[in-house]
Amino acid sequence: SQQGEEDPQALSIQEGENATMNCSYKTSINNLQWYRQNSGRGLVHLILIRSNEREKHSGRLRVTLDTSKKSSSLLITASRAADTASYFCATDNFNKFYFGSGTKLNVKP
Amino acid sequence: DGGITQSPKYLFRKEGQNVTLSCEQNLNHDAMYWYRQDPGQGLRLIYYSQIVNDFQKGDIAEGYSVSREKKESFPLTVTSAQKNPTAFYLCASGLGQGFIGELFFGEGSRLTVL
Repeated sequence: SQQGEEDPQALSIQEGENATMNCSYKTSINNLQWYRQNSGRGLVHLILIRSNEREKHSGRLRVTLDTSKKSSSLLITASRAADTASYFCATDNFNKFYFGSGTKLNVKP
Repeated sequence: DGGITQSPKYLFRKEGQNVTLSCEQNLNHDAMYWYRQDPGQGLRLIYYSQIVNDFQKGDIAEGYSVSREKKESFPLTVTSAQKNPTAFYLCASGLGQGFIGELFFGEGSRLTVL
């Protein structure tokens, strides 16, 4: 399986701090995506980075991709209590999507 | 509004019964997926379909069956052969082969076996 693994499993920070989550995967990919899941809900897409890109920004989100190390990181800057959720990376290999185990982020007000 | 609708949201089943979870999308997407999520864990792929009348097994297909008779619909049947069916089930859709894009998810169906 090329399922990704997120690190850390859980992260607790104060509002206003930055949150960094890491993802490692096993095989070659077309692109890597990050998703957010609020408790008991479906996943919502956050950002997509293609295999030939190294960094991408979207609002308070910054994603990096290192294909040589098969790893990616998601940075959320100036976190808010509303960012509290689980975050998953997903690898896309010819439209077969594999998800990691997720990082549970708790942002304390 | 366009999106994916899963039903029912909550479902209780007695051991030995088959149950079918509904997934409908009006996004005109070719690809549809079923995932299983256990508490505190990630998503595991059960089945996926890239086009009508065709589907492939994912990593944990045993005890599950699907059909894709219409583009809009991809129902999942949890059969009595599934040893531990209590879980949160998520359906998703995407543009399909030849496209780069994200998955759109439904709100999930929580199945509890009594």
